[in-house]
Amino acid sequence: QKEVEQDPGPLSVPEGAIVSLNCTYSNSAFQYFMWYRQYSRKGPELLMYTYSSGNKEDGRFTAQVDKSSKYISLFIRDSQPSDSATYLCAMSDYTGGFKTIFGAGTRLFVKA
Amino acid sequence: NAGVTQTPKFQVLKTGQSMTLQCAQDMNHNSMYWYRQDPGMGLRLIYYSASEGTTDKGEVPNGYNVSRLNKREFSLRLESAAPSQTSVYFCASRVQGDTGELFFGEGSRLTVL
Repeated sequence: QKEVEQDPGPLSVPEGAIVSLNCTYSNSAFQYFMWYRQYSRKGPELLMYTYSSGNKEDGRFTAQVDKSSKYISLFIRDSQPSDSATYLCAMSDYTGGFKTIFGAGTRLFVKA
Repeated sequence: NAGVTQTPKFQVLKTGQSMTLQCAQDMNHNSMYWYRQDPGMGLRLIYYSASEGTTDKGEVPNGYNVSRLNKREFSLRLESAAPSQTSVYFCASRVQGDTGELFFGEGSRLTVL
């Protein structure tokens, strides 16, 4: 079993839809949770960064962390064609070893 | 605003050939990383350098070597390339430690025939 599981998709939605992207994890030591966005043939870029449980909102994007369920989500409101990309979840623990684990990424297509 | 720069962007090798991927960052970051990205596998850490003068193995180090040449530069070497090393390689940097944003280069696409 992988430490971080993420549905690879692809996920196709119409413009304006609410998108929900999810990851589950097995290591209860993870405390830092991130979402990266990766456009085709580009490197990943940080989209959202959350520490421990709770919600964080930034414009059309909301990140949720539920540590009790070992489940994180990224919601995109009013999705736009420019949101079409691969979204990777990532998480780190604080026990040393410079360990950041990435999910496999979910490909999202937003149709105009 | 260069950020993290990787060279080359594309490379085709024959099995057994060697090559070095170069990475440089201009953000004065202490930590640098090499990842490989394969379909369905996500980003997997090959090697990292927590600070100038130190390097450590990541999740998939076999077949690779690294050199932290100075604070700015971190190179990845394939001594005897194998088809299993066909992948997209990303260099990344971070201010320090294992928390905080990772800044990635645009990737180097390597094909080993």
